Amino acid sequence: AQRVTQPEKLLSVFKGAPVELKCNYSYSGSPELFWYVQYSRQRLQLLLRHISRESIKGFTADLNKGETSFHLKKPFAQEEDSAMYYCALRDSGGSNYKLTFGKGTLLTVNP
Amino acid sequence: NAGVTQTPKFQVLKTGQSMTLQCAQDMNHEYMSWYRQDPGMGLRLIHYSVGAGITDQGEVPNGYNVSRSTTEDFPLRLLSAAPSQTSVYFCASSHRDGYEQYFGPGTRLTVT
Repeated sequence: AQRVTQPEKLLSVFKGAPVELKCNYSYSGSPELFWYVQYSRQRLQLLLRHISRESIKGFTADLNKGETSFHLKKPFAQEEDSAMYYCALRDSGGSNYKLTFGKGTLLTVNP
Repeated sequence: NAGVTQTPKFQVLKTGQSMTLQCAQDMNHEYMSWYRQDPGMGLRLIHYSVGAGITDQGEVPNGYNVSRSTTEDFPLRLLSAAPSQTSVYFCASSHRDGYEQYFGPGTRLTVT
């Protein structure tokens, strides 16, 4: 069974400080990892996915298969980054479209 | 494109009542799914569909039914509502590759 763990329910940082949202997973196959974000009163939306190795809104995430982690990082947090962040996993086999979500981390960036 | 739409936005039911949450998408996505979001629990998959006429159960399917008669629509039915079904419900859709799921605005359901 696949599982996604986000150990922090709440994370609070000051503006300009680095931020790291942790995500660990367990899966026996070849996973694809994603970060989704939900800003206040907005829809859940894709932030980034490991396969594209891109930086979105200053956020990056590297898949570490040895540590089974996909932590989300940003060197200088902004107040507009305050949101709920979900790490998600799916089987890369192609026939399985199901996403398994972690329980989410609520990030608050204080001025 | 309207994307993924959900109706209603809010609903209050009494225990035992039935209702249907509507979900529609205009992006010709093959894959559609229903999640419920509860505090401290994240998003949990209820049911999903990989195409018209094909549905399957997710992680928490009990108490819910779905059907997929068209590519566009994927309604979620509560046959006999229970207080444990108080939650925010999200519908999502994606292309077959599943790389990005597009979410609806959600339906906040309260069962008293």
